[in-house]
Amino acid sequence: GDSVTQMEGPVTLSEEAFLTINCTYTATGYPSLFWYVQYPGEGLQLLLKATKADDKGSNKGFEATYRKETTSFHLEKGSVQVSDSAVYFCALNKGQAGTALIFGKGTTLSVSS
Amino acid sequence: IAGITQAPTSQILAAGRRMTLRCTQDMRHNAMYWYRQDLGLGLRLIHYSNTAGTTGKGEVPDGYSVSRANTDDFPLTLASAVPSQTSVYFCASSDGQANGELFFGEGSRLTVL
Repeated sequence: GDSVTQMEGPVTLSEEAFLTINCTYTATGYPSLFWYVQYPGEGLQLLLKATKADDKGSNKGFEATYRKETTSFHLEKGSVQVSDSAVYFCALNKGQAGTALIFGKGTTLSVSS
Repeated sequence: IAGITQAPTSQILAAGRRMTLRCTQDMRHNAMYWYRQDLGLGLRLIHYSNTAGTTGKGEVPDGYSVSRANTDDFPLTLASAVPSQTSVYFCASSDGQANGELFFGEGSRLTVL
């Protein structure tokens, strides 16, 4: 079945360091790919998305490129801030109306000053 | 703008008791979902509803039931709670279109003793 695999955390970085969180997927067809972020004590919110191969999603300095050849959607940010500390979830859906998202297990990011 | 409202925020209950988690959205979204979040397991889909009057089973439906009498409300019921249902429960909605973003509530933390 369809699935999403994320690198295990926690990821601990100093402020202004470069961030990469790896995400790969298994799915038939052409899924849409998402990154969600969950700040402490809150629900999930969409960070960025890409709906077709080679699309790049970006938001708040974060970027991810949909790579169909490697079935990957790695999240990157050039310079992290303490406020980026959160749990990050990679997710996919099949691009069909009404389908739920399939999530990875989440990666906890902790940024220290 | 309220978005998705979940209640209660937190609850402790004895095993064997019946419990209903409430979820209301004001975005007139067709599709609604219930996920549970557990450490190390990420988010797993319990039940979903693509439109009022219809529901479906997700990845982990056993021990849970849902109803969708109208567009706005999607309650989740535990008929007889067990300790393994201790979790954080998130309700979400989307407009049901392909590639649609999911909007999440702030979660309900449930502890079953």
